[in-house]
Amino acid sequence: DAGITQSPRHKVTETGTPVTLRCHQTENHRYMYWYRQDPGHGLRLIHYSYGVKDTDKGEVSDGYSVSRSKTEDFLLTLESATSSQTSVYFCAISESLFTGGYGYTFGSGTRLTVV
Amino acid sequence: DQQVKQNSPSLSVQEGRISILNCDYTNSMFDYFLWYKKYPAEGPTFLISISSIKDKNEDGRFTVFLNKSAKHLSLHIVPSQPGDSAVYFCAASSYRNDYKLSFGAGTTVTVRA
Repeated sequence: DAGITQSPRHKVTETGTPVTLRCHQTENHRYMYWYRQDPGHGLRLIHYSYGVKDTDKGEVSDGYSVSRSKTEDFLLTLESATSSQTSVYFCAISESLFTGGYGYTFGSGTRLTVV
Repeated sequence: DQQVKQNSPSLSVQEGRISILNCDYTNSMFDYFLWYKKYPAEGPTFLISISSIKDKNEDGRFTVFLNKSAKHLSLHIVPSQPGDSAVYFCAASSYRNDYKLSFGAGTTVTVRA
């Protein structure tokens, strides 16, 4: 395994509550990403990080924020959860920007249900 | 707007036969194309890739073909095995976007015994 852990693995939360998902890596990789997987859409990039305190928005960033205070941890926060944010969330890491033909290494995912 | 498209949500194939998965893209600036495989309750794992300067890449039972003029790529699995039953995602990246991966919607492959 690449040493990437997501927590929690499953979570049910109520509409309007804040939720934080954690991605922890032991590979010392500089680049980290958050994706969400939804039927009919595949995986879509939410936010990404190129290093500590260096983050930027992806294609579906509305309603989400991220923080990276340490190389190993990348947190995804839903400020006020909505039902449209029910999804499976994947964290990914890469050692370099140029991943060539290898892409990223993904965590096992967090299944989030907003009721 | 989705730049990588997998128009077949599912594929059923008999064990031992060939599985062919298709992927189309709209961005002519993509440099690399990748296939990921995903089992339930697990994250996607890298399967095989191809550079835009090639038209074929082979790795064991898996072969990816790229047709740049048609903006189309396909993944062939020969012979298909029960362990190949999974969701397959096509992905692409471009140096213009810092090689961030764009994914298709996925194709669920079921291999019948």
